[in-house]
Amino acid sequence: GIQVEQSPPDLILQEGANSTLRCNFSDSVNNLQWFHQNPWGQLINLFYIPSGTKQNGRLSATTVATERYSLLYISSSQTTDSGVYFCAVHNQAGTALIFGKGTTLSVSS
Amino acid sequence: KAGVTQTPRYLIKTRGQQVTLSCSPISGHRSVSWYQQTPGQGLQFLFEYFSETQRNKGNFPGRFSGRQFSNSRSEMNVSTLELGDSALYLCASTDGQASWANVLTFGAGSRLTVL
Repeated sequence: GIQVEQSPPDLILQEGANSTLRCNFSDSVNNLQWFHQNPWGQLINLFYIPSGTKQNGRLSATTVATERYSLLYISSSQTTDSGVYFCAVHNQAGTALIFGKGTTLSVSS
Repeated sequence: KAGVTQTPRYLIKTRGQQVTLSCSPISGHRSVSWYQQTPGQGLQFLFEYFSETQRNKGNFPGRFSGRQFSNSRSEMNVSTLELGDSALYLCASTDGQASWANVLTFGAGSRLTVL
């Protein structure tokens, strides 16, 4: 089945720093979504981005479907950005959403 | 608009018991999917329902089952609980017929501990 790999697994930043999270996938996909899981377990959808670039405030994402990767950029990080960031893709058949293992981000003040 | 509501938020069961978890999707959403999150296996797809029909099922044993009602609320059941079933169970809803083509909104989860 399709493989989703995220890097780095862990990231520690000082408040105000920028970061780039990467998601590689092994096969063609129907879509790609980025999520943030807060310390209480809630998964929040950040981007639905099967291709191209989107921006939402300090966050932006780019997916290059032909090269099978996506990047999530976080600028001027804040302590509230801490948590786990997941990318997830649907397989070609659309029968299952496959999650990566996540990147754990810790932002300190 | 109310979000996805999952109940109960926390529960403790013993091995061999069964458990039922509930998920109320966002009003108007007809597609509901369930996921299990554990430290070892990460987030794994359980099943997806649309208009009371199970559309897809993940690679889980038959002890895991679910259903969807006419009001789109969904329940999942785990019978004969095992220690390894301890996990955060997440439900998501979407307003499209095909969950792969739409943004997923997740509930806060039900955290199950099996002793």
